[in-house]
Order: sequence, then structure tokens, then C-alpha cells
Amino acid sequence: AQSVTQPDIHITVSEGASLELRCNYSYGATPYLFWYVQSPGQGLQLLLKYFSGDTLVQGIKGFEAEFKRSQSSFNLRKPSVHWSDAAEYFCAVGDNNQGGKLIFGQGTELSVKP
Amino acid sequence: KAGVTQTPRYLIKTRGQQVTLSCSPISGHRSVSWYQQTPGQGLQFLFEYFSETQRNKGNFPGRFSGRQFSNSRSEMNVSTLELGDSALYLCASSLAPGANVLTFGAGSRLTVL
Repeated sequence: AQSVTQPDIHITVSEGASLELRCNYSYGATPYLFWYVQSPGQGLQLLLKYFSGDTLVQGIKGFEAEFKRSQSSFNLRKPSVHWSDAAEYFCAVGDNNQGGKLIFGQGTELSVKP
Repeated sequence: KAGVTQTPRYLIKTRGQQVTLSCSPISGHRSVSWYQQTPGQGLQFLFEYFSETQRNKGNFPGRFSGRQFSNSRSEMNVSTLELGDSALYLCASSLAPGANVLTFGAGSRLTVL
């Protein structure tokens, strides 16, 4: 079955510390991978995407993610977290044939300590 | 450039009623997708429309329906509301199917009493 797993429901990091959010997927076709962020009461904002090519992708707000096919992972990283990064982060997978149908993980809620 | 606009932002209904939610995509975007977000089930795909045709459908009962107009605006309807339909309904638009880069609206928060 196609699925996305975000093992960490909630993560707390100190401001200025590094961050890594994990994402593992199970998908039959060649996946397109995404990370979205959602602030309370808001919709989802795209942080970055991977379609093909370089497996290290850069996104907005200083985020990056690395696609590792052998591990079926697409972990999100940021070298130095800011208080404004506190939000919920969603990993998602799709493919060229499915169009707007993405499969989302359950999300990881990030809290930032001052 | 205006983003994806969803109306209404908040609404309260009672069981058995029906509700219609509206979504205006980004100008030039022709594909609209709908998602339901709940604490228990997370984000689940409802359906996708392109050129006024339903292109893809998620695993939801027939009470959930949608349509798209010639100007790409979309509506979704939920009939015979149940308590479990309480959720944030998110609309997303993209240039076309296969583009995959979805831009989401802020959502319509539905509460069913």
C-alpha cells in the first residue's frame, strides 16, 4: 500500500539548534516528494519538492531535504531553527499520473524553545 | 497575484444538513483538488477537477461531491452531514494535472453539531 510515515509526532528544539524531520514512504511508482508547512489556522505552504535529478533539494526559509531512494526517505533539515519555524510539517508523495492526489504523512509538530 | 481563495472560512451546521464550500484557484490555474483534514485521519484527498471534469477521486462516500466551472472555480458539497464530517476542508490549485505543485488555500473550517 502507498503510504508516508513521519515517525515523530512532536519535536522540540532550541532556537539556533539544527533540525531534522524524518519522512519515509512506500510508493509503487517513481515518487514526487514534497514538504509542506502549516501554521495554526492556515493552509499548507510548499517548502520544497523533489521530482528528479539532484537528490539534495533546497527550499524556502533555509530548509533542505535529501532524497535517499535506497532508504525510501526524504528527510527535511535546517541548520539553525528560528522561533518562527514553529509549525506543523507534512511530508507528501505523489506521481505524474496522480496529479493533485498526494498522500500525506500524519505530520510532525515542531516547537521551538527560546 | 491573488492566492487560492476559499469561502466561507468558518461555518457551523447541524447533522443532516448539507453544505457547499467554494474555491477560487490562482489565476491561470486550471486544476483544483480538495482535501479533508482531521486530527484523527490527517490530510485525505477528496477529488481533483480539471476542465470541469473530475479527474481523480479519493475514498469518500457519495455524500461528498464536487464540481468545477468553466472559469476553473470549484465547489464541493457534503450532504446529510454527520458529526465526523467536522474538519478543515482545503482546496489546492495547480496549473494542470501532473504539475503536482499544489498551492493551498487557507481552508474552510466546518463544525457539525
